[in-house]
Amino acid sequence: EAGVAQSPRYKIIEKRQSVAFWCNPISGHATLYWYQQILGQGPKLLIQFQNNGVVDDSQLPKDRFSAERLKGVDSTLKIQPAKLEDSAVYLCASHYRPSGRPYNEQFFGPGTRLTVL
Amino acid sequence: QQQVKQSPQSLIVQKGGISIINCAYENTAFDYFPWYQQFPGKGPALLIAIRPDVSEKKEGRFTISFNKSAKQFSLHIMDSQPGDSATYFCAASMGNQFYFGTGTSLTVIP
Repeated sequence: EAGVAQSPRYKIIEKRQSVAFWCNPISGHATLYWYQQILGQGPKLLIQFQNNGVVDDSQLPKDRFSAERLKGVDSTLKIQPAKLEDSAVYLCASHYRPSGRPYNEQFFGPGTRLTVL
Repeated sequence: QQQVKQSPQSLIVQKGGISIINCAYENTAFDYFPWYQQFPGKGPALLIAIRPDVSEKKEGRFTISFNKSAKQFSLHIMDSQPGDSATYFCAASMGNQFYFGTGTSLTVIP
């Protein structure tokens, strides 16, 4: 089974520029998450989708960040304009509840490391 | 507001020793407690998980101890190996919402 795919793996931009990240979740996973992981910290949820609808975007800085999941499959996260403090790893994860299993499982992609200069 | 508190921030253990990482939570609605292992340049990967209706779960050298009344859970790595050197995150979940601890950087010295 293929894992969660993300691209690009690395991106360096100057502040005030824009950037976009792409995520393709595991096939059949209805729930998709974007997390921001600042160096030395745990993942912080930015936005959660269920199919193509937003479940939680309470921590998404909406003045500069946007995300979409058209057709309920892959997703893009955009930052415009970027700030220095946006330097972080952006992780995409997908989730499903296996039939017959008592708990949920969340699978992460490798992440995109963003450096804002 | 930090939903899940994790300690220590970093840990150094000799090869063959026991590594112990602790987490605490407040929300009793959480019903799933996973631990993730993250190597540099990689995304977190599920290591082991527990539901609150059991007090312990063991998979190989990894054990989760769960104390429901104290709202605490811990990861024990027995016979720690240099290959276990990574960052470990605890998490708590309800439904499809996940909350992560701040991570513990484990270094196992040969």
